[in-house]
Amino acid sequence: RKEVEQDPGPFNVPEGATVAFNCTYSNSASQSFFWYRQDCRKEPKLLMSVYSSGNEDGRFTAQLNRASQYISLLIRDSKLSDSATYLCVSEPVGSARQLTFGSGTQLTVLP
Amino acid sequence: DVKVTQSSRYLVKRTGEKVFLECVQDMDHENMFWYRQDPGLGLRLIYFSYDVKMKEKGDIPEGYSVSREKKERFSLILESASTNQTSMYLCASGVDDYEQYFGPGTRLTVT
Repeated sequence: RKEVEQDPGPFNVPEGATVAFNCTYSNSASQSFFWYRQDCRKEPKLLMSVYSSGNEDGRFTAQLNRASQYISLLIRDSKLSDSATYLCVSEPVGSARQLTFGSGTQLTVLP
Repeated sequence: DVKVTQSSRYLVKRTGEKVFLECVQDMDHENMFWYRQDPGLGLRLIYFSYDVKMKEKGDIPEGYSVSREKKERFSLILESASTNQTSMYLCASGVDDYEQYFGPGTRLTVT
């Protein structure tokens, strides 16, 4: 079983829609979680961290549910520029600076 | 602005050749990483380094080696390239525990 699992999609949504991605992780001892964004043929970049209390950055909200071992990303009022692959990332305990990446969820926002 | 550069964007090599992939970062980061990215598998960590002359195996080190003689430079070496090493190779650097800055990637094809 993969340590971090995501629905690969693709998610095709119209502009202005709200879309949510979930990601599950298998290591209950994982301490930190993040969402990275990867545009087509580009490198991944940190989008936001994920906290148990929730984390909001403009139209993006990230949430962590430790009891169910899943992380979510909510995008409100989708823009064409949100089209990308979203990578769910965990930092397993004891890994010290190593990150485990999910294989990504592809989002396409349609005009 | 953090900059991570990789020596080549595209590389074509023959089976059995020795391949060097170079990565340079300009932000004096202590930590550097080499990943490969394959469809459906996500990013997988090959090797990483916390300091000059120091290296640690990641999840898939077989068939690879690394060198870090200077803080800003981290090289990935394929001793004898094989077709199953055809992939996108991404270098990353970072200073704290979670944000990694990625280079643009090298798409390596081994024929």
